[in-house]
Amino acid sequence: EADIYQTPRYLVIGTGKKITLECSQTMGHDKMYWYQQDPGMELHLIHYSYGVNSTEKGDLSSESTVSRIRTEHFPLTLESARPSHTSQYLCASSGPGTGASINSPLHFGNGTRLTVT
Amino acid sequence: DAKTTQPNSMESNEEEPVHLPCNHSTISGTDYIHWYRQLPSQGPEYVIHGLTSNVNNRMASLAIAEDRKSSTLILHRATLRDAAVYYCILRDGNAGKSTFGDGTTLTVKP
Repeated sequence: EADIYQTPRYLVIGTGKKITLECSQTMGHDKMYWYQQDPGMELHLIHYSYGVNSTEKGDLSSESTVSRIRTEHFPLTLESARPSHTSQYLCASSGPGTGASINSPLHFGNGTRLTVT
Repeated sequence: DAKTTQPNSMESNEEEPVHLPCNHSTISGTDYIHWYRQLPSQGPEYVIHGLTSNVNNRMASLAIAEDRKSSTLILHRATLRDAAVYYCILRDGNAGKSTFGDGTTLTVKP
């Protein structure tokens, strides 16, 4: 079942355009993440958030920015898209790390495949 | 983040058990071992996780070495739908950020 939603599924856009990739989850998870994955390659963490108004940069440097104004919503924005931004972007969330759900699993969306021409 | 090492690829026959190994020699005491799998054109899917003891669920079993420096994901009877890239990752006790490696591409032959 899809408890974490990413839109759009596919996006083809010209260089210089501003884009926002949407990610929403209905599980009330406090932690959310953005990963970038090129075809056949590993996932790289580019942003994460531990809760509302909390955002941190991940291991892979990215020109994108994120915001976390609501618990369920974690959009990623590129102010000026370039061909080097062509990739798949995966959003994930995980629940609170207390009690029985400590270290809860990551739940991933199906990704947004971005192509910048 | 602690790193994991997995073989690039493995093959199995349908209906046979599959043992997917993972080395994590720099694991810390608070790191949990998680396994995910990714089908083409989809996001990764959670399979199983554990800390010290072996774990079983409806999808698979996880065997963790006594020193916790390695683990093995066991698929008891591989099906064609189990063909995927399998990732072993470590997550700290606060369930913070996690680093994915290259994973193991599992091919299941009919």
